Amino acid sequence: QVQLQESGPGLLKPSQTLSLTCTVSGGSISSGDYYWSWIRQPPGKGLEWIGYIYSSGSTYYNPSLKSRLSISLDTSKNQFSLRLSSVTAADTAVYYCAGDGYDSSAYYRDYWGQGTLVTVSS
Amino acid sequence: AIQMTQSPSSLSASVGDRVTITCRASQGIRNDLGWFQQKPGKAPKLLIYAASSLQSGVPSRFSGSGSGTDFTLTISSLQPEDFATYYCRQDYNYPRTFGQGTKVEIK
Repeated sequence: QVQLQESGPGLLKPSQTLSLTCTVSGGSISSGDYYWSWIRQPPGKGLEWIGYIYSSGSTYYNPSLKSRLSISLDTSKNQFSLRLSSVTAADTAVYYCAGDGYDSSAYYRDYWGQGTLVTVSS
Repeated sequence: AIQMTQSPSSLSASVGDRVTITCRASQGIRNDLGWFQQKPGKAPKLLIYAASSLQSGVPSRFSGSGSGTDFTLTISSLQPEDFATYYCRQDYNYPRTFGQGTKVEIK
């Protein structure tokens, strides 16, 4: 069973860069037809899709964040990462990593990490 | 970006009730829609994908229907563990977008 786990600092100051890593276990991040995504949820609010990196390394970023965002893949560590620059209080949220797609048996799979709270405060 | 509008924003229901939540897309999205359940402090869990396909392991009391712009999630007989917030998400194009959520509370 594939499992995802986010890691990274929980507290940042305004203007700093948010860096989070998602470690994937139970399967290879570079195999299959999976999209590896980041999603965030401000406290008490709804879900916002941030962007994805495909197993080939191609990316798509939410236009609302594109100028500050970078998502990368490290296949040697079975990880993918998020970098969001110039953070403000509006970036305070629980950040989830997720993976979805079809496995080798053509079953649709959808995996989520437990989420990590990132607070931006001076 | 495609806007997803859910209704109602919240509802109160009793165990055993039939519950229906709707989701409307700002443009046609074929059947590229998923439904998620989220409990406090937990990650969302996929219930339905492709508008009507039940995700493996999800109880059969959950069902989805619709295509184009209008979609429905139905819980045929509400159970205590179903009290949660439900979100729809369009998978038609990127950026993927979620509805604002429907909170199902105990009556």
